[in-house]
Amino acid sequence: GAGVSQSPSNKVTEKGKDVELRCDPISGHTALYWYRQSLGQGLEFLIYFQGNSAPDKSGLPSDRFSAERTGGSVSTLTIQRTQQEDSAVYLCASSLQGDSDTQYFGPGTRLTVL
Amino acid sequence: DAKTTQPTSMDCAEGRAANLPCNHSTISGNEYVYWYRQIHSQGPQYIIHGLKNNETNEMASLIITEDRKSSTLILPHATLRDTAVYYCIVRVGPSGYSTLTFGKGTMLLVSP
Repeated sequence: GAGVSQSPSNKVTEKGKDVELRCDPISGHTALYWYRQSLGQGLEFLIYFQGNSAPDKSGLPSDRFSAERTGGSVSTLTIQRTQQEDSAVYLCASSLQGDSDTQYFGPGTRLTVL
Repeated sequence: DAKTTQPTSMDCAEGRAANLPCNHSTISGNEYVYWYRQIHSQGPQYIIHGLKNNETNEMASLIITEDRKSSTLILPHATLRDTAVYYCIVRVGPSGYSTLTFGKGTMLLVSP
């Protein structure tokens, strides 16, 4: 079956611009996670959705970052007024439920802020 | 979640078994052992997980010691496509969601 998909695969933007990253989870998965991975670094948790609600936004690094999820499916991560330190691979994962279920990752969006 | 320790890198000849160790001496009774891998420029890929019994699937086998303080991921017949960074993670069981935290992992290089 179809896995987690993300778009765009690559995004190059100028400092100060806003960007939107999209994640389509596996159909039927109620839990959705956003992570980011900087070059040579591990995963950094950003936000978790259960359905359309985000019970844990603790990983969002600043108020320039926001995310929403609609219809219990597609999620959008928005970064406003991008900075060079925002450059990273943004990964989305979904799981059937939240409780320790296996997370399946998308291919990621590579964001480069010039 | 308990911390894990893995070797930085390992080499394996194509067609041979790759045995990747992981130490998790502070693991709690309700924590599972998960393995993911990340091939260059791709998202992490789930491999296998277990609680205390050995597990096998189409990708790999997971051997967990009786005291659960360490485990070994076995790729029975490594191929060049198995070259990746392998992450061993321990995370809580069903008592609420748990995000993933990857350490440095083991860089497995499979050579012809």
